[in-house]
Amino acid sequence: NAGVTQTPKFQVLKTGQSMTLQCAQDMNHEYMSWYRQDPGMGLRLIHYSVGAGITDQGEVPNGYNVSRSTTEDFPLRLLSAAPSQTSVYFCASSYKGRYTFGSGTRLTVV
Amino acid sequence: GNSVTQMEGPVTLSEEAFLTINCTYTATGYPSLFWYVQYPGEGLQLLLKATKADDKGSNKGFEATYRKETTSFHLEKGSVQVSDSAVYFCALRQSNFGNEKLTFGTGTRLTIIP
Repeated sequence: NAGVTQTPKFQVLKTGQSMTLQCAQDMNHEYMSWYRQDPGMGLRLIHYSVGAGITDQGEVPNGYNVSRSTTEDFPLRLLSAAPSQTSVYFCASSYKGRYTFGSGTRLTVV
Repeated sequence: GNSVTQMEGPVTLSEEAFLTINCTYTATGYPSLFWYVQYPGEGLQLLLKATKADDKGSNKGFEATYRKETTSFHLEKGSVQVSDSAVYFCALRQSNFGNEKLTFGTGTRLTIIP
């Protein structure tokens, strides 16, 4: 089982560029979420989805968009990257409270 | 809102030393509590969990007991190994009407010296 797959693993963007972080899971989990991890701040919830077609904002949603057209995929879009979005991003899926995390995307915005 | 406060790091110990990483929480109701571990370059993995008061979670020699009276979930291990070097996150999960949130502490970096 692949679990949760995130791509790319590393990315460098220039300020103002846009990009999409991909997340796919093969466990048929309804609940998926995106977190960012910053030093001294733990993981903070950006957006989450309780099923295809349903998304909602988390703790730090500004600057990010999401959509959920299928159960498997939950992409995170940065429309206009800013240096403050330099972080490590984790996607997770869960079922009955058991979370599976991807291996992360390290994003640097210069 | 919910919050998790855990011991500031980094923590450096010698092999076979006793480990405690403190974690306290603030939440309404009855959350589930977790410890996650992150090895270098990897995502988070569930280490152990407890779903109700007085439950003890255990895995790989690590233990933590859900103490509602002190709102704590401290992580302990009797004899650490070099392979335990990682970042440890305490977290709580609360579910309301089908929506759920996982709230993390800031993480504690643990380094074990041979």
